[in-house]
Amino acid sequence: EPEVTQTPSHQVTQMGQEVILRCVPISNHLYFYWYRQILGQKVEFLVSFYNNEISEKSEIFDDQFSVERPDGSNFTLKIRSTKLEDSAMYFCASSSDRGYGEQFFGPGTRLTVL
Amino acid sequence: GENVEQHPSTLSVQEGDSAVIKCTYSDSASNYFPWYKQELGKGPQLIIDIRSNVGEKKDQRIAVTLNKTAKHFSLHITETQPEDSAVYFCAASGGESDKLIFGTGTRLQVFP
Repeated sequence: EPEVTQTPSHQVTQMGQEVILRCVPISNHLYFYWYRQILGQKVEFLVSFYNNEISEKSEIFDDQFSVERPDGSNFTLKIRSTKLEDSAMYFCASSSDRGYGEQFFGPGTRLTVL
Repeated sequence: GENVEQHPSTLSVQEGDSAVIKCTYSDSASNYFPWYKQELGKGPQLIIDIRSNVGEKKDQRIAVTLNKTAKHFSLHITETQPEDSAVYFCAASGGESDKLIFGTGTRLQVFP
């Protein structure tokens, strides 16, 4: 069964460093998303991406964040200068259809900023 | 802004009993309501969803009901098993946006 994969599973970084979180969405999906979940809290939307551009972004997704689809399979989230409050689980999701389409989530990357 | 409330935050049941989790949403444009199960250390897994053109949907031991007038929807798990123990999240999306707005989660514990 096709699934969303994410690497790394755990990333530890120093405050102020740049990190890139990687995702491989399900191959025939066209809509891609990043969500995050701070420990013990609910899952929050960050950004959606379609046709090589951002469709929608939340207030959390400020200038420190960027997304990219560098090739036909990968989808990345970059945080330019990490802050302590960026520590969270980051989930990538993909969907074959907008709106009514089921969003399938990856296993997540745990980001720890020290 | 859009908001999804979820209750209860924790739920403990005996194996074989039923469990019900309820959510309310604020955005009347919402038309898609998925439920996700999250096990420890894993990503959310879609278990069932419902769209605004139906009032109820069932898949084996799991059912979801939707009341659009009252803007609430519920997850029903019958004949619970220990492997049902997890955190369950409701979510809503719709209108101009396909982003999922998640509830705060319910930690379900099923005791043998």
